[in-house]
Amino acid sequence: ETGVTQSPTHLIKTRGQQVTLRCSSQSGHNTVSWYQQALGQGPQFIFQYYREEENGRGNFPPRFSGLQFPNYSSELNVNALELDDSALYLCASSLPPNTEAFFGQGTRLTVV
Amino acid sequence: EDQVTQSPEALRLQEGESSSLNCSYTVSGLRGLFWYRQDPGKGPEFLFTLYSAGEEKEKERLKATLTKKESFLHITAPKPEDSATYLCAVLTTGRRALTFGSGTRLQVQP
Repeated sequence: ETGVTQSPTHLIKTRGQQVTLRCSSQSGHNTVSWYQQALGQGPQFIFQYYREEENGRGNFPPRFSGLQFPNYSSELNVNALELDDSALYLCASSLPPNTEAFFGQGTRLTVV
Repeated sequence: EDQVTQSPEALRLQEGESSSLNCSYTVSGLRGLFWYRQDPGKGPEFLFTLYSAGEEKEKERLKATLTKKESFLHITAPKPEDSATYLCAVLTTGRRALTFGSGTRLQVQP
């Protein structure tokens, strides 16, 4: 059984650029959630995908968007990057009705 | 709005010195309370889920307890490898995702 994997692990982008982060869910898990974690803070919910449909969204602007594929892997896209988007981006997978969410190692995004 | 508050923000212990971390919550309809461990620059590692007041769970030197207003993570005779940030999160009815506290940074000195 493979865990949650994210790529890339680190990324440096320039303000105004676009970025795509990728996540492979744990084997058999059909639900993927994305979180943003600023330094010294707890993770903040961005959105969730269940069976390829967006299933809930946190307080993030529309330039944060996502996709889920038939194999339940997922992408997070961020357009028009801002300096404040610098953070650790975390992907978590789960299998409802189980409530436990398992996280990947994260992608550290730095916007300069 | 769901709120999760963790205290203290940081805790420094000597090896073998037991202590407790606190997670207080204000939510409507708790479905579960979760504890995670996070090492610097890594993703959170799942530790426990608690579902109802009075429930307790243990894993090695860690024991989590739950009341109607708060949860405690008790660390017995900690070792330096227990040094990490411990995150508390809640899942509530009507919400799809976890609401996290800001974490407690634990440092255990040899």
